[in-house]
Amino acid sequence: DAGVTQSPTHLIKTRGQQVTLRCSPKSGHDTVSWYQQALGQGPQFIFQYYEEEERQRGNFPDRFSGHQFPNYSSELNVNALLLGDSALYLCASSHGLTGDDYGYTFGSGTRLTVV
Amino acid sequence: QQQVKQSPQSLIVQKGGISIINCAYENTAFDYFPWYQQFPGKGPALLIAIRPDVSEKKEGRFTISFNKSAKQFSLHIMDSQPGDSATYFCAASGGTSYGKLTFGQGTILTVHP
Repeated sequence: DAGVTQSPTHLIKTRGQQVTLRCSPKSGHDTVSWYQQALGQGPQFIFQYYEEEERQRGNFPDRFSGHQFPNYSSELNVNALLLGDSALYLCASSHGLTGDDYGYTFGSGTRLTVV
Repeated sequence: QQQVKQSPQSLIVQKGGISIINCAYENTAFDYFPWYQQFPGKGPALLIAIRPDVSEKKEGRFTISFNKSAKQFSLHIMDSQPGDSATYFCAASGGTSYGKLTFGQGTILTVHP
């Protein structure tokens, strides 16, 4: 049973460019959340998608946007990249909005470097 | 109000010893407290979780102790092994943070053979 799959694994972009990261949730999961993890820090919640709608959003600017597709997969888009956007971007999937009873399953992340 | 504070930042333990990591939270609406383990190059993996209706939960060598009045919870790793060397994160969710995990800063655990 495949867990959460994220692509690409590594990415290097230039300041001002745009990037799209992709996530396929664990089989049976219908909710996807995105987190940003800076080096040496805990993950920070970006937003959560359920039924193709953004359900919750963390303290991130509008440059960060997302989408969920009918097959529950999701994309994270970041426009006008800044050096400070360099981080590990994690996708977590769950069954339902809270995932509390069964936990969230995290992918291995996409390492984004902005130069 | 949304912070989760974790200590220590790093911890060195001898094989067979007990590792203890502590977390404190501010938001009294939090009602779900998981611990995650993260190895280099991997995403966090759920270790164990607790809700405020119990003061302790044990799964194998891992135990969560929860003190609701003090708004603190801790992870105890008994008989620590070199394979336990990883970064550990506490987290919390609930209330207006329903479905959103707020993570601590992480603890780098090193278990020496």
